[in-house]
Amino acid sequence: QITLKESGPTLVKPTQTLTLTCTFSGFSLTTSRVGVAWIRQPPGKALEWLALIYWDDDKRYSPSLKSRLIITKDTSKNQVVLTMTNVDPVDTATYYCAHITYFYSSGSYYFDYWGQGAGVTVSS
Amino acid sequence: QTVVTQEPSFSVSPGGTVTLTCGLSSGSVSSTHYPSWYQQTPGQTPRTLIYNTNTRSSGVPDRFSGSILGNKAALTITGAQADDESDYYCVLYMNRGISVFGGGTKLTVL
Repeated sequence: QITLKESGPTLVKPTQTLTLTCTFSGFSLTTSRVGVAWIRQPPGKALEWLALIYWDDDKRYSPSLKSRLIITKDTSKNQVVLTMTNVDPVDTATYYCAHITYFYSSGSYYFDYWGQGAGVTVSS
Repeated sequence: QTVVTQEPSFSVSPGGTVTLTCGLSSGSVSSTHYPSWYQQTPGQTPRTLIYNTNTRSSGVPDRFSGSILGNKAALTITGAQADDESDYYCVLYMNRGISVFGGGTKLTVL
């Protein structure tokens, strides 16, 4: 059974760095065709794709946030960490991590398992 | 900047059929965008419905179906039920590993 759980601070001050951890079970990030993505949702707004890390440590970032994001994995701990620098109140959101299944034939993927989400407020 | 468009809201009668669409602000959606669809009720985690245009995720009833209609991806719900009242999001794969969510459609069943 695949599960994911996000953790991190609930309150961050503007200009600070936000670090979120996704701890998962039921799969390994050393297994091919697997990855973990981060997605966020501001209150009352739509979901937004942020970043993705594949089993082979390849990484992808949202073009609009690329300069502020870093995604890493620790396979020994079954964790994926998202770091977002220079946060702003507009970054206030629920942050989800999700397991992705990758398709070699197309290079595409989809989000098949989701964490419960972690709420983050950016405020002074 | 790629913008994925969805109807902001839609309503359907219980037992009725509704088709939600997912387009691009510039260009057409095709199967090579590998559209996927997610259902989210307020305060809940998204649930995966459809991937690769028309493949249902495990446990999703067959009254949910995906397709390409014209230049858009589509999610059709037949025999709408009260608990289908949710927000529905499409995601398009834009190659090089980048995905983009649509703005979501709020579906009301009444």
